[in-house]
Amino acid sequence: GAVVSQHPSWVICKSGTSVKIECRSLDFQATTMFWYRQFPKQSLMLMATSNEGSKATYEQGVEKDKFLINHASLTLSTLTVTSAHPEDSSFYICSALDTRASYEQYFGPGTRLTVT
Amino acid sequence: AQSVSQHNHHVILSEAASLELGCNYSYGGTVNLFWYVQYPGQHLQLLLKYFSGDPLVKGIKGFEAEFIKSKFSFNLRKPSVQWSDTAEYFCAVNAKRGSGNTGKLIFGQGTTLQVKP
Repeated sequence: GAVVSQHPSWVICKSGTSVKIECRSLDFQATTMFWYRQFPKQSLMLMATSNEGSKATYEQGVEKDKFLINHASLTLSTLTVTSAHPEDSSFYICSALDTRASYEQYFGPGTRLTVT
Repeated sequence: AQSVSQHNHHVILSEAASLELGCNYSYGGTVNLFWYVQYPGQHLQLLLKYFSGDPLVKGIKGFEAEFIKSKFSFNLRKPSVQWSDTAEYFCAVNAKRGSGNTGKLIFGQGTTLQVKP
């Protein structure tokens, strides 16, 4: 299957600072990527759909000004958590949608964010 | 609103036991169905998927799932589990609307499978 990478794999930041997480599709071009949040022992919650060359589509209840998404190229989407607070601590996972043959998502390994 | 329900939250089995994890979804239209596995400390991996055709789908590592449209179900099965199957299992649904498909997945709550050696 296709490979999706995320960087960093884990990050610790102080409250009030911003953190950027990168998601890359390594062997195919993805016009659409997705960002999820996963709390311990819980399912994945879709935060937003990242569309190359256009604005991201946010799910209900997700603050677009807090979670900035940029999809500047066909292989890279970034999620910036602005003015992070301890409650933003979570596991953030991205996926890239492969539309070449089927609508299958390939998932990145996730980024563990801890806000102190 | 669409939803996915996994009935078993935590399953404990002994090695060689048979496994069946339930998954039901609520959506009346055409769907794509997936089962993902997340091993401890690792990222989500696709076990199997159903798009169309034979409703009995075979995946990796001996897993299979059956799509029963009338029951809105997509249960995951394995005849004999191994200790290495200990993981979190997620059912997911992608609802298709007409000719469009956003690719969005709705995930179930997940089932923790613990296999005792």
